[in-house]
Amino acid sequence: GENVEQHPSTLSVQEGDSAVIKCTYSDSASNYFPWYKQELGKRPQLIIDIRSNVGEKKDQRIAVTLNKTAKHFSLHITETQPEDSAVYFCAASISNDYKLSFGAGTTVTVRA
Amino acid sequence: GAVVSQHPSWVICKSGTSVKIECRSLDFQATTMFWYRQFPKQSLMLMATSNEGSKATYEQGVEKDKFLINHASLTLSTLTVTSAHPEDSSFYICSARAGVSEQYFGPGTRLTVT
Repeated sequence: GENVEQHPSTLSVQEGDSAVIKCTYSDSASNYFPWYKQELGKRPQLIIDIRSNVGEKKDQRIAVTLNKTAKHFSLHITETQPEDSAVYFCAASISNDYKLSFGAGTTVTVRA
Repeated sequence: GAVVSQHPSWVICKSGTSVKIECRSLDFQATTMFWYRQFPKQSLMLMATSNEGSKATYEQGVEKDKFLINHASLTLSTLTVTSAHPEDSSFYICSARAGVSEQYFGPGTRLTVT
């Protein structure tokens, strides 16, 4: 099955700086890569996703890049704010079964 | 749009009893729903895939007789934890597939078995 690895496990940044989280996946058939933000005790919220036919996608301060050849994708958050503090999960899935395989998560702390 | 609700939000039960958790898609029809379990400070682990009108597909290592899943309609899936034990205490989260691939999550149910 699909194996998704996520790094780093924790990330502390100064407010206003950028944060980058990287994930790798094992199954070359994976073609959908969402990112979720989860605050303590809350549901994971989809913040951005990318499909394999696109190399980059941006939504305001958040961007995701995908390198299919290397089988890795990254989340970039610019101009970080304290409310960006949360656990971020990457995931990968194959369109024929839609099951998501999650990375282990990255705890992001934005220091004011 | 794409709102998923879950009930109850938390439940405490005694060891040996059964607990039912409901997952509803409120503003869309979900042919596929998923059930996850999340232990403290860990990632989400897929337990099973639930398709409307058919039997659920369980992930390896998940006991289908212990975690009963029913997907009776396009907006409702239920998870019943049978003969619960303290080790079943966890955060159970459902998700529903909307559109081509997007999954939206319910708020989760915190189960504590005493």
